[in-house]
Amino acid sequence: TQLLEQSPQFLSIQEGENLTVYCNSSSVFSSLQWYRQEPGEGPVLLVTVVTGGEVKKLKRLTFQFGDARKDSSLHITAAQPGDTGLYLCAGADSGAGSYQLTFGKGTKLSVIP
Amino acid sequence: EPEVTQTPSHQVTQMGQEVILRCVPISNHLYFYWYRQILGQKVEFLVSFYNNEISEKSEIFDDQFSVERPDGSNFTLKIRSTKLEDSAMYFCASSVRGDHNSPLHFGNGTRLTVT
Repeated sequence: TQLLEQSPQFLSIQEGENLTVYCNSSSVFSSLQWYRQEPGEGPVLLVTVVTGGEVKKLKRLTFQFGDARKDSSLHITAAQPGDTGLYLCAGADSGAGSYQLTFGKGTKLSVIP
Repeated sequence: EPEVTQTPSHQVTQMGQEVILRCVPISNHLYFYWYRQILGQKVEFLVSFYNNEISEKSEIFDDQFSVERPDGSNFTLKIRSTKLEDSAMYFCASSVRGDHNSPLHFGNGTRLTVT
C-alpha cells in the first residue's frame, strides 16, 4: 500500500509570511499532483510535477518534486488570506489504461490578515 | 469553463437502502472516476471507467458498488445496500486521457449520510 504523508497537518500564519508544506512517501510515483480544496467543494488541480528534481512556479507558489520522485514540497511566498484552504498532494500510479491517485491527508492552511 | 457536475449535493438514506449518485463529466472527456472521502480522512480512489467498462478498481469497490454510463452524458455510482460506514463525500472526476499528465477535474461531490 502506498502512503503519502503530508506535514504539517495544520498551519496558521500571518499575512506576508512565507511557508513550506511537505509531502513524503517511501514509494516512487509516476507524477505528483498538488490540489487545493475549499470546504464543500472538490479538489482543484494546481500543478503536476513529473520529472525528478522538477520545479514549477505558479505566481507565489513554488512546487518541487524530489530527485527520487518520492517527495514534494509546496512553498508559498508572502502568503495572503486568499491562500487559506486545504492543500492536498496526490501521487499518480499509471495502471492499465488509466491512473489512480493516492492522496495525502492534506495541510490545512490559515492565513490571518 | 466546463465543469463536472454532481447530483444530489446531499443524500440521506437508511441503512440497507440503495442509492444512486449521479455525475455529468465534462463533455469531451473519456475517462471517468469515483473517489470518496470519509469525514476527517483522505480522499480514496474507488474506480476508473473508460469505453463503457471498468479500467481499475480499489479494494473498497466491492460487490455492493457498481458504475454505469447509462447515456452519453451521465456517469452513475450505485451502492446496493448501504452501510453506516458508506457515509462519506463521493467525488466524481473526469479526464481527457488516461495518462497521469491528463489532469483530473473533480465535481463538488455528493455528501452521503447513511442512518
